[in-house]
Amino acid sequence: GDSVTQMEGPVTLSEEAFLTINCTYTATGYPSLFWYVQYPGEGLQLLLKATKADDKGSNKGFEATYRKETTSFHLEKGSVQVSDSAVYFCALATNTGGFKTIFGAGTRLFVKA
Amino acid sequence: EPEVTQTPSHQVTQMGQEVILRCVPISNHLYFYWYRQILGQKVEFLVSFYNNEISEKSEIFDDQFSVERPDGSNFTLKIRSTKLEDSAMYFCARQQRDTIGTGELFFGEGSRLTVL
Repeated sequence: GDSVTQMEGPVTLSEEAFLTINCTYTATGYPSLFWYVQYPGEGLQLLLKATKADDKGSNKGFEATYRKETTSFHLEKGSVQVSDSAVYFCALATNTGGFKTIFGAGTRLFVKA
Repeated sequence: EPEVTQTPSHQVTQMGQEVILRCVPISNHLYFYWYRQILGQKVEFLVSFYNNEISEKSEIFDDQFSVERPDGSNFTLKIRSTKLEDSAMYFCARQQRDTIGTGELFFGEGSRLTVL
């Protein structure tokens, strides 16, 4: 079945460091890919998305490119801030008569001042 | 962006009791979903609901669970006889007409269920 694998956390970085969180997926067909973020005590929010191969999603300085050849959707940010501390979930959605979204295990990011 | 409102925000119940979690989406939403997140673990799909019927459900969504939209607005998840392992955060999510082709989800703030 479809699945998402992302790097285990926690990831601890200093402010202004470069961030990469790896994500790979297995899916039949052509899924949409997402990164959702969960700030402490809150629900999940969409961070960015890409709906087809070679699309780049971007938001709030974060970027991820849909790589079909490597089945990857790695999240990157050039300079993290303390406010980026959160749990990041990679996810895919496939249309099975209604979209079913499958999430990775989540990667917790701590950013130190 | 229209929000999804979930109630209660936190419920504590005794094992074996029935629990109803509610979600109030906006009327133009097409698909509704329930997900759960056991503390510190991954977000798991439970069920999708379209046009007042279950569209798809996971293995987790057994006979203990049911969903309905009793009054055309509230979208409820019922757990008939709660078990300790049902303790989790339950998220309602929706899709909208303008993002139905992408699968993008909008989540509520969640309802934390604690079973003692």
